[in-house]
Amino acid sequence: ETGVTQSPTHLIKTRGQQVTLRCSSQSGHNTVSWYQQALGQGPQFIFQYYREEENGRGNFPPRFSGLQFPNYSSELNVNALELDDSALYLCASSTTPGLAGGISSYNEQFFGPGTRLTVL
Amino acid sequence: GQNIDQPTEMTATEGAIVQINCTYQTSGFNGLFWYQQHAGEAPTFLSYNVLDGLEEKGRFSSFLSRSKGYSYLLLKELQMKDSASYLCAVRDRRGSTLGRLYFGRGTQLTVWP
Repeated sequence: ETGVTQSPTHLIKTRGQQVTLRCSSQSGHNTVSWYQQALGQGPQFIFQYYREEENGRGNFPPRFSGLQFPNYSSELNVNALELDDSALYLCASSTTPGLAGGISSYNEQFFGPGTRLTVL
Repeated sequence: GQNIDQPTEMTATEGAIVQINCTYQTSGFNGLFWYQQHAGEAPTFLSYNVLDGLEEKGRFSSFLSRSKGYSYLLLKELQMKDSASYLCAVRDRRGSTLGRLYFGRGTQLTVWP
């Protein structure tokens, strides 16, 4: 186990509803990244939080939003749920986001077990 | 942007060796990761390459050629428990998305007895 926890494990919602997913990062990690993984696909980057600020965003609409708290835990909020939002939502924690220039450190991302969201 | 390509499926028998290839096109490269993912579970880290060459780690090895945009994961002495999806991911080094991982679709490996 990586020490990254997510809740809830599974969730069923209907179209138009709102959902909040939670992630606790591994001890000592200050960066949390969120990914969406549809069935049969690789994870797609949603956004990253570093020191409580959004630090980069993937190709997701504004109804996907997030927060990071002083203890580095994080939330992913999705408004106006659509059927295509059904997926496994993964959070990954790491240390610094990466270094500009040169060869960055190993800086592995540790994934949580995920939240399986089903939108009916 | 990033484009990561890997085969969708592969099969092999117990005890055999299998090589899973990954090609990538990237506008900013900062390392390549291989992850293993069992059905319904989170990806788990297998290997990391940032310089050209081979990294060996027990039954698993990973190779990188940055000039060719190519990597492979080599699994030796296959076991039934190695049946899983193997994800190739490239790390970004551009601007505000430093550290972001771009994943391929994954290669579903089935190991037969």
